[in-house]
Parts: sequence; structure tokens; C-alpha cells
Amino acid sequence: KNEVEQSPQNLTAQEGEFITINCSYSVGISALHWLQQHPGGGIVSLFMLSSGKKKHGRLIATINIQEKHSSLHITASHPRDSAVYICAPRGTGNQFYFGTGTSLTVIP
Amino acid sequence: DTEVTQTPKHLVMGMTNKKSLKCEQHMGHRAMYWYKQKAKKPPELMFVYSYEKLSINESVPSRFSPECPNSSLLNLHLHALQPEDSALYLCASSQGLAGTYYNEQFFGPGTRLTVL
Repeated sequence: KNEVEQSPQNLTAQEGEFITINCSYSVGISALHWLQQHPGGGIVSLFMLSSGKKKHGRLIATINIQEKHSSLHITASHPRDSAVYICAPRGTGNQFYFGTGTSLTVIP
Repeated sequence: DTEVTQTPKHLVMGMTNKKSLKCEQHMGHRAMYWYKQKAKKPPELMFVYSYEKLSINESVPSRFSPECPNSSLLNLHLHALQPEDSALYLCASSQGLAGTYYNEQFFGPGTRLTVL
């Protein structure tokens, strides 16, 4: 049983396209983390949110706690956005959950 | 300083060796984490330290032994590992465990471990 489902698993986009990555979860959470992992391993924290919407540059994250769903949007995508994006909800009892990741490739 | 550092970047060891991985942060964070990540899989939580005390051990085999000598340092001691333990080992830290915004984790670059 997978508590966190991400879609799509793989995504290829042309430079400049608007991209959406979805995350659905089945557990009660206190907050949700969106992470970015480039080839080579390093993980960068993009957003931590518990309600509504957050924006940072070309990235936007939204969460709907009632529907147990979060989305990560990338506007005007660029080849440097190519990475794996991981959704990581934090359970109300401090449990740690991770989605399987979405591998994004942006083609020039 | 908003960085988590890890050393070494790469480590190759035999099954009879003893080695240690090191993680350091100077952000004043009081929670530190070890994760193991296999290729094309999400990170798996191994250990969590909160205020220098072991808070979570996700049933990790005893050949992995964590240590938190002070609030800035986290070590992972390795002994008698198996080839299947080869993976990327990631360290992370956060302000604390409780509360929403304390939970944001900052990750180090990882140590890529190969067990021969």
C-alpha cells in the first residue's frame, strides 16, 4: 500500500512549457514538502506548505488538505529544471512519507 | 551558513572494513536525519536525532550505528556491510521535529557508498 502517489512518473517537455506535477496522499498530514533532486544526488528543498499556495520564482506549489492533494507547477520551463521532483508529506504523528518521484526532462 | 555538508563524497569499502560517514550543519538546527537512497527510488529514512538524542530508528540493521556527538555533527558508523548496502546516504537537518515550519529539511549532497 502506497500512502503517496505522484503523477506522472516521467515527463518530457519543451522549453517554455507550463508543467504540473501532482501528488495525492491517503494519510493525515501536518505539512507537505516538495523536493528537487538533480542527477548526482543533491536534494534541494523547494517548498514546505500546510495550506493554500506558495510561489518562488517560476515555481508554484498548492495544497488542498481536504482533498489530500498537492501540485507543483513550473512556469516557462527551462532545461535546468530537468530533475526528479519528490513529494514528501509529513504525517501528523511525525511520520515521514515520500512519493516515488517525477522525472522531468526539459528539451531546449 | 545555510548548508549541510557531508564527507566523504564517495566511499568504497570491503565487507570487513569499518568506516564512518560525517554530516555537519551550522544552522542551529536541533533535528538531524540519515536517509538511504537506492538508484531511482525515493529516500528511505534510517535515523532521526532530536536534541542529540536518537528519536527514530526505522529498524535499521546494527551494522549501521549512528552517533550525534553535538548539535552540529552527525556520524554514521559502518561495519560489516553487505554489497546490497551500496547506496547514496543523505543527511538532512531541520530546526526541530514539532510544528509545521520547523519540519523543513535541508539536505546535504550525500555520500555515494559502494560495498565490495
